[in-house]
Amino acid sequence: DQQVKQNSPSLSVQEGRISILNCDYTNSMFDYFLWYKKYPAEGPTFLISISSIKDKNEDGRFTVFLNKSAKHLSLHIVPSQPGDSAVYFCAASANTGFQKLVFGTGTRLLVSP
Amino acid sequence: DAGVTQSPTHLIKTRGQHVTLRCSPISGHKSVSWYQQVLGQGPQFIFQYYEKEERGRGNFPDRFSARQFPNYSSELNVNALLLGDSALYLCASSLWAAGYGYTFGSGTRLTVV
Repeated sequence: DQQVKQNSPSLSVQEGRISILNCDYTNSMFDYFLWYKKYPAEGPTFLISISSIKDKNEDGRFTVFLNKSAKHLSLHIVPSQPGDSAVYFCAASANTGFQKLVFGTGTRLLVSP
Repeated sequence: DAGVTQSPTHLIKTRGQHVTLRCSPISGHKSVSWYQQVLGQGPQFIFQYYEKEERGRGNFPDRFSARQFPNYSSELNVNALLLGDSALYLCASSLWAAGYGYTFGSGTRLTVV
């Protein structure tokens, strides 16, 4: 039962353009959503998050949008840079009193110069 | 400050053997969580420990066990290894049992042959 889905395994974008990574979820109990970036041979690195009481959160070049009615979130990277090339994971959490992140399968972003 | 450190970085084991993976959290962090990332998938939650007690368990068989020591470091043990246990095992630490402030280590790559 894949509760968090990233349907695009890969995305290619040119430097300077916008990258849009999408994520869908099925569990309505999720109340917090996070994006992680992962380089090969490294652990996931936290990028940006959003609470279910918001519909947008922005941090520099990164913006996350949440559409609760559609159970959909997206990560926008503007402008994209070659150093952004990595695998991006969407993760979700419910308020269960302990930490458990449910991850999607990831989207590999390639930003070409 | 050192981040989350995991050892060993790589490991090869034979089917049926036992393995112990180790994790040292960031100084001051009292919670340690373990995740398994199979190739092509997102990380999957295995355990969370806080103040030496198990706070959460994912959908993994009893062959998987863990513990946390007084210095907050942790061990993940897997008995009777199967080929399907081959994966990247990630440890994450945080200050508290709940909340979303995870920091991941770089992982231990386990190969079962």
